[in-house]
Amino acid sequence: GIQVEQSPPDLILQEGANSTLRCNFSDSVNNLQWFHQNPWGQLINLFYIPSGTKQNGRLSATTVATERYSLLYISSSQTTDSGVYFCAAETSGSRLTFGEGTQLTVNP
Amino acid sequence: GAVVSQHPSRVICKSGTSVKIECRSLDFQATTMFWYRQFPKQSLMLMATSNEGSKATYEQGVEKDKFLINHASLTLSTLTVTSAHPEDSSFYICSARGVQGGDSPLHFGNGTRLTVT
Repeated sequence: GIQVEQSPPDLILQEGANSTLRCNFSDSVNNLQWFHQNPWGQLINLFYIPSGTKQNGRLSATTVATERYSLLYISSSQTTDSGVYFCAAETSGSRLTFGEGTQLTVNP
Repeated sequence: GAVVSQHPSRVICKSGTSVKIECRSLDFQATTMFWYRQFPKQSLMLMATSNEGSKATYEQGVEKDKFLINHASLTLSTLTVTSAHPEDSSFYICSARGVQGGDSPLHFGNGTRLTVT
């Protein structure tokens, strides 16, 4: 099956810093989603981005499907951005394969 | 936006008992729902695909007799963990997409944290 790799596995930032999270996938995908999992386990949809670039406030994402990667940009990070960020590649039958996640800690 | 509700959010049960978890799509119909499991500090792993009106499709290594899935309506799928054991303790989370199909994101419930004592 498809392999999804995320980097870095852990990231510690000072409030106000910018960061880039990367997601590589080993095969063609139908879609690519980014999620933020908060400390209570809730998965929050950030982006549904099979290709191209999208922006939502301080967050933006770019997927280059032909090169099999996606990037999540966080600008002016805040302590509330802390948590685990997952990317998930969607293949046939709407099956999502998740990466191992990036644990982000934003310190005040 | 699309809302998926999961209940209960947390459950503690004794070893050998069964636990049922519900997943509802509140404002859309879902012909297909998905069940995932997440162990602490790990990623989410797909357990099974729940199909309305037909049998669920299980991923390799997932025991279908232990994790019973029923998708009796377009808005409800249930996962029953039968004869639970401590190693079944995990975070279970469901997801769904509306009947309009592939051009929309999958939405997730808030998850159920199961602890088997």
